[in-house]
Amino acid sequence: QVQLQESGPGLVKPSQTLSLTCTVSGGSINSDGYYWTWIRQHPGKGLEWIGYIYYSGSTHYNPSLKSLVTISLGTSKNQFSLKLTSVTAADTAVYYCARGDKGIVYDWGQGTLVTVSS
Amino acid sequence: DIQMTQSPSSLSASVGDRVTITCQASQDIDNYLNWYQQKPGKAPKLLIHDASNLETGVPSRFSGSGSGTDFSFTISSLQPEDIATYYCQQYENIPLTFGGGTKVEIK
Repeated sequence: QVQLQESGPGLVKPSQTLSLTCTVSGGSINSDGYYWTWIRQHPGKGLEWIGYIYYSGSTHYNPSLKSLVTISLGTSKNQFSLKLTSVTAADTAVYYCARGDKGIVYDWGQGTLVTVSS
Repeated sequence: DIQMTQSPSSLSASVGDRVTITCQASQDIDNYLNWYQQKPGKAPKLLIHDASNLETGVPSRFSGSGSGTDFSFTISSLQPEDIATYYCQQYENIPLTFGGGTKVEIK
């Protein structure tokens, strides 16, 4: 049973970069053929797909965030990461990492709240 | 982007009731439609994929149907543990998009 755990700062200042890491246990991100995904949920709102990275390293991002987002695989650990640059208060959300089969999101982390505030 | 319109946005029903949620896509998405359940303070959980395929371990009182642009999700006999918000999600196109959610409460 794969497990995912998000980690990173819970508070980021406006205009700075939000950086989160997802640690995967119970499965390898480099060989399993899955799409490693980031999704966010604004407080009290619905779900927004940020993007995903295939185990080969190819990425797809939400066009609404594309110029600001980078998803990458970890180099030596079973991790993948999210970077979102030039954040504003509108980026305050719970961020989930997840494992999917392209469009089906099978396994989710517990989520981590990131607040953008000075 | 493909817009996903869910209705109703909330509903209240009694234990044992049959509950149906609808989801309409802004364009044809074939059967590339999933349903998730999210309980308060928790991550979403996949219930149904490809419109009608029940995920392993999910109770059979949950079901889904539809194709093209119109889909439905049904709880055949509402249980107290089904209190949650339910989301549809399409994956015919990137970006993946979700419906606005349906909050299900017990009357």
